[in-house]
Order: sequence, then structure tokens, then C-alpha cells
Amino acid sequence: EAAVTQSPRNKVAVTGGKVTLSCNQTNNHNNMYWYRQDTGHGLRLIHYSYGAGSTEKGDIPDGYKASRPSQENFSLILELATPSQTSVYFCASGGPGSAETLYFGSGTRLTVL
Amino acid sequence: AQKVTQTQTSISVVEKTTVTMDCVYETRDSSYFLFWYKQTASGEIVFLIRQDSYKKENATVGHYSLNFQKPKSSIGLIITATQIEDSAVYFCAMRGLSSGSWQLIFGSGTQLTVMP
Repeated sequence: EAAVTQSPRNKVAVTGGKVTLSCNQTNNHNNMYWYRQDTGHGLRLIHYSYGAGSTEKGDIPDGYKASRPSQENFSLILELATPSQTSVYFCASGGPGSAETLYFGSGTRLTVL
Repeated sequence: AQKVTQTQTSISVVEKTTVTMDCVYETRDSSYFLFWYKQTASGEIVFLIRQDSYKKENATVGHYSLNFQKPKSSIGLIITATQIEDSAVYFCAMRGLSSGSWQLIFGSGTQLTVMP
């Protein structure tokens, strides 16, 4: 069954530390996305990718980097984590076409102390 | 800029009744896609139903249907014969086709509670 898997499920980091959130999809989708979810804001797009080697900025990219080394894997990197980045992060894959349905991972709960 | 607004923060209904959740959107695109997603208590987010802007017929999937009112930029989600397991947060989302952007813009969500 096609799936999107995120790791870790939970992460506690210290301010100023580096955090890497990983996402793997077996859907063979070209497009992958990173969202964060905060109360009252729904899902906000951080970075996305159209395929291996590509990354694009979403609505709230500041403080985040992304890496898409392969079709299956898409990482979100916080080089210098801050408490304001405490949130739940969701990865999704989708495609093909503009009417694509997104398939979401189970989320990563990140706490930055 | 594109925007999706869900003004109902939470709704409570009795099981087996019908509920409508509202969503309005803003876009300058002539063609766009509208989606509803459901987030369960466990955090899982799943796709429910889609409406293509060029289609006049309201989409229907199982006991989910849409009330698409294009002149009002409105896309309501209707759930008939609600069940306890329909309790979840429902997100409205839109994708326009302008400037080659494929971003999916989400509303803030509506918490639905179905009571026995």
C-alpha cells in the first residue's frame, strides 16, 4: 500500500540546535510538501519539491531548509532551531497533475526548548 | 493572493443528522480546484472530496457532498447521516493555477463533534 512515512514521530530539541525531519514516500509521486500545523492557522506550507533535486519555498520558509535527494525522500532541516518552531510538521506527497490528491504522513511533533 | 476562510471554529451535531460546514475562498484564477480533508483525533489527515471549478455539478462521495456556489466563492461540505466516527477537524483547501504555482492553500479548519 502506498504510504508516506515520517520520522521521528516526536522530537525534543534545544534552541540553536540542528533538527532534521525525514519523510519517505512509496507513492512514486513527483511532488512532496512540508507543512506545519499550529492552532488557529491550519496547515501552512513551508517547502515543496517537484522532484529529485528540486526544492521550492512555500509561504513560511524562513528558518527552514529542504532537501530532496531522491524521488522517495524529502527532508526538512532546521539549522538553528528556535522555540517559535515548536509545532506539528506534516509531510505529504501528491501527483500527477494540478488536481492531485495529497497523501499525508502521520506528523512529527517538534518541541524546541 | 489566494485565501481560504473557514469561519466556523467548531460545530456539534447529534448522530444521524445532516451538517454543513462552510468555506469561502479568494482567487483570481479562472480555473481552480477545491478540496476537503479530514483530520482524525489521531492526527491522520485524509482526502475526502474535490470540486473542479469548471464543473457545475456538485461532487458527491459516499455520505459527503459539496455545495459549490461559484458566484459566492463558496464551497460547503455536507455530511448526511452523521456518525460518531465523523468527529474530526475538517479542512477546506484550494489550488489555483496561476503563475505555475501548485501550492495548496488550507483554511484553519472546523472541529466537528458528533454526539450520540
